[in-house]
This record gives sequence, C-alpha cells and structure tokens, in this order.
Amino acid sequence: RKEVEQDPGPFNVPEGATVAFNCTYSNSASQSFFWYRQDCRKEPKLLMSVYSSGNEDGRFTAQLNRASQYISLLIRDSKLSDSATYLCVVNNNNDMRFGAGTRLTVKP
Amino acid sequence: GAGVSQSPSNKVTEKGKDVELRCDPISGHTALYWYRQSLGQGLEFLIYFQGNSAPDKSGLPSDRFSAERTGGSVSTLTIQRTQQEDSAVYLCASSLQGLEPQHFGDGTRLSIL
Repeated sequence: RKEVEQDPGPFNVPEGATVAFNCTYSNSASQSFFWYRQDCRKEPKLLMSVYSSGNEDGRFTAQLNRASQYISLLIRDSKLSDSATYLCVVNNNNDMRFGAGTRLTVKP
Repeated sequence: GAGVSQSPSNKVTEKGKDVELRCDPISGHTALYWYRQSLGQGLEFLIYFQGNSAPDKSGLPSDRFSAERTGGSVSTLTIQRTQQEDSAVYLCASSLQGLEPQHFGDGTRLSIL
C-alpha cells in the first residue's frame, strides 16, 4: 500500500463548479499536511497547509480527519486557472511523502 | 535570488556518463530534499538532508546514485554510469525546518541518450 494515495483523476469540471479531492495516508503518526499545486512541466508550489481544525483560503478549503487518516481539498467557484495537478503531502519526522497527484481541468 | 536554485536547468548526456546536479537552498533552510519526476508521473522521493546529514537514504534508486551536502547549504546529487531510465526532472526543495512547507527549485531536466 502506498503511503499517500490520491485519485489520479482526471477531474473535468465546468467553470464555476465545486470540486473536492481526497487523499489518504497510511502513517497514523504523520504530523503535518499540505496541498501543493503543480502546473504542467513546472515545479510544485505550496497551495496551503492543512490544520486539524480545517482552514480556508479564499475559494479553497482544506480539512484533516486524523481518525480516518485522510485530508481533503475543496475548490469552490472553479476558475480556468485552477487547472493543474494537486498534490497531497504528508510529513512524518521530516520525511515528506507526496501523493501522485490529482489532475483537474476546468473547462469554459 | 531568494528561492531555491538548481543547476544546470537542462542536461543532455550519453548513457554511461556521470552527471552531477546542484541545489542551492534558500538561505537558512536546514532541511533539503531531492525528488525525481518522470514525464507525467508523480514525485519520487530520493533523499532528505537535515543539516549535512542524510538520515534516510532509502529512496535512492540504486547505488549509482549518491548525494552530499556540505556546510549545511549546497547539495549535489551525483548519478554514475547513467542509464536511459534515469531521464527525468530532478527537483530540489528546502524548508526552514523539517516540518515546514517546502519550497521547490525549477528542477534539472536530465536526458540520457
């Protein structure tokens, strides 16, 4: 079983749609969690950290469920510019593990 | 600049040659990571440094791969006797401390002919 698992997609949604991604992790001792965005042929860039209480940044909401060992990312009012691959990252004792990513395409 | 710097940005070499990739992390960042990303694939963790030491080398694909970090700053990833399957983008990232978010360099695109 992979340490971090994501649905690879692709998710194809119209502009304005709400889309949600989930990510599961196997190590219950994992300490910190992040979502990264990666555009085609570019390096990953931090989108947001994920806090235990859940956190929101504009149209993006991240949640963590430690009991079920998953994190989620919700994107509201999707924009064309949201098209990218979204990577889930789990950190345990300075060992960062990336999911394979979920590909999102937002269409006009 | 203020970001993670990697060099070269592109490297084309013949099978069997050795290559050395360089990463200059953000100043003051103690943690440094190397990843590999093949075309259309996810990130593959290679190695992590905390200061100059690498507590986890299990991600290195084979004994042809080695990495070092000196002075708690610059790191080099060396691939000996390169093979075609080594072709990928090699990404370096650094973070202030191990649990902080990582900041990535632009990567080195390695092509083995």
